[in-house]
Amino acid sequence: AQSVTQLGSHVSVSEGALVLLRCNYSSSVPPYLFWYVQYPNQGLQLLLKYTSAATLVKGINGFEAEFKKSETSFHLTKPSAHMSDAAEYFCAVGGPFGNNDMRFGAGTRLTVKP
Amino acid sequence: DTEVTQTPKHLVMGMTNKKSLKCEQHMGHRAMYWYKQKAKKPPELMFVYSYEKLSINESVPSRFSPECPNSSLLNLHLHALQPEDSALYLCASSQGTSGGSRETQYFGPGTRLLVL
Repeated sequence: AQSVTQLGSHVSVSEGALVLLRCNYSSSVPPYLFWYVQYPNQGLQLLLKYTSAATLVKGINGFEAEFKKSETSFHLTKPSAHMSDAAEYFCAVGGPFGNNDMRFGAGTRLTVKP
Repeated sequence: DTEVTQTPKHLVMGMTNKKSLKCEQHMGHRAMYWYKQKAKKPPELMFVYSYEKLSINESVPSRFSPECPNSSLLNLHLHALQPEDSALYLCASSQGTSGGSRETQYFGPGTRLLVL
């Protein structure tokens, strides 16, 4: 079974600082990995997706993530945080087989201080 | 257009009421999903429809009854709910052609349900 673990339920950074949100996956097959963002009182929006085409994936809003098989990680980064980045971030894993169910991590709440 | 719409945005209902949540997409997607999300928690999968047929039911209580009248619409019928069912209910869709869970899911804004 596939799963993801997000380290840190809450991350706080200053505006302009590096954002690093951690995600580790467990999968017996090459995974499909996703990062979604959820702003307050809204649905989830895809930030980026790993599909094995490239290990460094660039997403929207200046975010990127690097797939590291040796570390089973898919951490999300942004060089410079903006106040508008404050939200809940979910890492998720899917796979090529089985049903159409994606498994989400517990989420990380990002706070950006002025 | 990558929009999934959900109505209503908010719903308050008593434990004896019957209500329905609606979801619509016009992206030609053939897979549609219902999720339940409690505060400060990730979405929990409830149901998956693939080509208008129920493919996954994650052991959801029968007081939740999904329906997929056509490829663009997804309903969730609610009856005799409990206060613990209060949550944000999210609908999502994906292409439904790749198989498995490799596809990007597009989420609606959700319906915030309060059961009194």
